[in-house]
Amino acid sequence: DAKTTQPTSMDCAEGRAANLPCNHSTISGNEYVYWYRQIHSQGPQYIIHGLKNNETNEMASLIITEDRKSSTLILPHATLRDTAVYYCIVLYAGGTSYGKLTFGQGTILTVHP
Amino acid sequence: NAGVTQTPKFQVLKTGQSMTLQCAQDMNHNSMYWYRQDPGMGLRLIYYSASEGTTDKGEVPNGYNVSRLNKREFSLRLESAAPSQTSVYFCASGGQRQETQYFGPGTRLLVL
Repeated sequence: DAKTTQPTSMDCAEGRAANLPCNHSTISGNEYVYWYRQIHSQGPQYIIHGLKNNETNEMASLIITEDRKSSTLILPHATLRDTAVYYCIVLYAGGTSYGKLTFGQGTILTVHP
Repeated sequence: NAGVTQTPKFQVLKTGQSMTLQCAQDMNHNSMYWYRQDPGMGLRLIYYSASEGTTDKGEVPNGYNVSRLNKREFSLRLESAAPSQTSVYFCASGGQRQETQYFGPGTRLLVL
């Protein structure tokens, strides 16, 4: 699976958009980008995933560059409850991967009042 | 729907004791997973079960055993606990896409 690089920490003002970058320059054509987050002391929470196209759901938007070497998770109107560690995970979905997620250090997002 | 439930929430063991961590899901998912998370670190996969009746090792399986009792339940057993197994243990189940996983609240284990 491709390696990912994320900033260690980021800050965001409440009500503003939070843009979390992820670099995955070695991603291959059949690897997906997944985002999870972990709020303090809780289990991780699935946010969104994508392959090539930009994706949006009720929680966030995922923007993947045309060359697929990087992506950005966007929380459009961050709230204090969005303060969490955000994990970007790249993996081949299906086949023998059996959903084996590999969590790195992630980005600590702190949303300020 | 309770989602993924784990018992117990907290446990203190002495070195050499054994215990079983229980996990159950009510979402009719085929795949289930056990992770551990050490302070300040990301999650690491211990074991997984792609479907009922199958289990396989993840990244850090040493010192653990698992049982996929049925489609709903996936237990993790520590036969002889060691201080290095002090951690928070998370169980997860995989949805329609196995990579879309739903996590339980965790079991906090302290081995003295």
